[in-house]
Amino acid sequence: GAVVSQHPSRVICKSGTSVKIECRSLDFQATTMFWYRQFPKQSLMLMATSNEGSKATYEQGVEKDKFLINHASLTLSTLTVTSAHPEDSSFYICSATKISEAFFGQGTRLTVV
Amino acid sequence: AQTVTQSQPEMSVQEAETVTLSCTYDTSENNYYLFWYKQPPSRQMILVIRQEAYKQQNATENRFSVNFQKAAKSFSLKISDSQLGDTAMYFCAFMKPTTSGTYKYIFGTGTRLKVLA
Repeated sequence: GAVVSQHPSRVICKSGTSVKIECRSLDFQATTMFWYRQFPKQSLMLMATSNEGSKATYEQGVEKDKFLINHASLTLSTLTVTSAHPEDSSFYICSATKISEAFFGQGTRLTVV
Repeated sequence: AQTVTQSQPEMSVQEAETVTLSCTYDTSENNYYLFWYKQPPSRQMILVIRQEAYKQQNATENRFSVNFQKAAKSFSLKISDSQLGDTAMYFCAFMKPTTSGTYKYIFGTGTRLKVLA
C-alpha cells in the first residue's frame, strides 16, 4: 500500500515556542492531505484539510492562526503549532488519500512544557 | 450531517473466539465508502477492511468480515479466530467524496478490543 511518513514522532517544546510537523506521501502525489488531533482514548478529530497550492480549509473551532498549514508541494504538508501552550499537547496525525483510501502517518506526540 | 456511532466503548474476547464490533451511521448520501481501521498501541492507523456502498456483497479479508446493511445503515465487523495481536482500538469510518473532488472521513468514537489469552 501507499506510504505516508510523518516527522517527528515525538517532540517536546517549551511553552511559547513553535513546532513544525511534516507529513510526506512517499510514493504518490497528494493534492489533499488531512490533519487530525487525537486526545487520549478518543477518536480522531479532523482539524483541517490541506490543499496543495492553496489555503487550507479549517474545521469549525480550529484556530487557523495557531495551527498553520502549508502544502507547498504534491508530497509535503506541514503543520506548525505556533506559540504552543500545554493545552496543545496531544497526538497529531496526518493522512493522504489515494484512490478513495486514506493512508495515515505514524503520528506525532507533542508535549508542551 | 453524517455521524458514525460505535456503541461499544470496550470489548474483550478469548483467543481463538469470534467477536463482532458494531457500527451505525447516518447519512443521506448514496455514494460513500465505509472502513474499519485498527489502531494498536503504536497508534499507527491500519486499514482492516473497506466496503463500497454500491456493493451488496459483504467485504471479507481473511479473518475479518463485515455485515453491511445499507437500509439499516449498519456496518459491523466480525473478527474470527481472534489473536492476541488483534488487541487494539478499532474505528469505524465513513467516507464520502466532496464537491471539490476530495474525500472527507468521519470517524466513530472507537471500540477498545482486548483479546485474552
